[in-house]
Parts: sequence; structure tokens; C-alpha cells
Amino acid sequence: DTEVTQTPKHLVMGMTNKKSLKCEQHMGHRAMYWYKQKAKKPPELMFVYSYEKLSINESVPSRFSPECPNSSLLNLHLHALQPEDSALYLCASSKAGGIETQYFGPGTRLLVL
Amino acid sequence: RKEVEQDPGPFNVPEGATVAFNCTYSNSASQSFFWYRQDCRKEPKLLMSVYSSGNEDGRFTAQLNRASQYISLLIRDSKLSDSATYLCVVTGAGGFKTIFGAGTRLFVKA
Repeated sequence: DTEVTQTPKHLVMGMTNKKSLKCEQHMGHRAMYWYKQKAKKPPELMFVYSYEKLSINESVPSRFSPECPNSSLLNLHLHALQPEDSALYLCASSKAGGIETQYFGPGTRLLVL
Repeated sequence: RKEVEQDPGPFNVPEGATVAFNCTYSNSASQSFFWYRQDCRKEPKLLMSVYSSGNEDGRFTAQLNRASQYISLLIRDSKLSDSATYLCVVTGAGGFKTIFGAGTRLFVKA
């Protein structure tokens, strides 16, 4: 099973809302990633968790708050977003090492009004 | 200079053609290299890992040249289903930091 699942598939939120994106994998992977992808652009790394600890934060604004409750789950909490935050948010996972292949979920398409 | 650069697209080729994509990276300490494909409104999917010795998977051949900091992907006998965006991916020194190239769009025509 090389599946990463993400919920919801689509999300529309206002700038004052608080919402969360969820990601789950059952491959026993110990590294999990959040990416942001704008239309016609490549994915951009936001956060990396390794063994449930935050390893990389690519200078992401604090209105994005990641959380890794356990080795299978990764959340991204959203608060006070801006319209320019509208994008596809992709979750990925890999075995323990960062040099391993990453497997992507289908993404959450976010629209901020 | 971008950390990972790819050939500008789009590439428009007929079925059966051979097409080659190139990618260069700037950090000589980069550790691992991949080609992913991404279909419209879908997530990236791994096509191939790339090794210095070169590797082949059916119609696809990938090559890494560490001295020149260069990665290539060759697609032989193109199929309509090969139409997609091909993303060069490099993982930086120390792992985890993952950088995608801008992608090269391929259109295969009947």
C-alpha cells in the first residue's frame, strides 16, 4: 500500500476562518512533508517532520501551523489566511531518510475568499 | 541562478518520437535525484530515481552526471499517455530539503 490520503479534497474558507488539513499514511514512513503548489508552478516545500519532530520550516508565515500527532498523521492548521494562500496543498511521506522517494497524496485544493 | 533548472517547454512531439529532458542543479552536495510526472490537477508521481550508473525502466532512461551537476530523462517511442509535466527533483545535502524544478510540459500528438 503506497497510499497517502488527504482530507478534505476541496476547501473554501474566509480570511477569518480557522480550518485544518489532514494527511494520513500507513506505510510506516517516518518523514512527512507539506508542500504548496500554485497553478502552473512546481510544488514548494513548506514543512518537514522526521520522527514526529519538525525538521524543516521553510520560513512559512505563522498563519500556517503544522502538527504531527503521531507517525501516521500530519495536520496543517490554517488561520487568518490571505487570498494569495489559495493553492493546492500536497502532503507527502518517505521512509526515515530525507533522500528516500516521497509519495504524494492527492492534495487539498484551497480557496481563500 | 535557480537551484534546479529544467529545459523550458512545452515539447510537442508525435507518437513514436524520442524526446530528452535535461535538468541542472547548483548544489554540488545534493544527495538524491528523481524524475516525477504530474498530470493536470493531480499529484506528482514518481517516475524514476536517478543514479550515477544510469537506470532504465522500459522506454524511460535516466542519467546523472555529478561532475556536471546534470540530470537527464530520455523517453523512447512516445505514447499519447506520456503527455504530462515532468519534474526534476533534487534533495539537498543533509536530506529532507527537496527542490523541484519548474517542470517541462510534454504533449504527445497522434
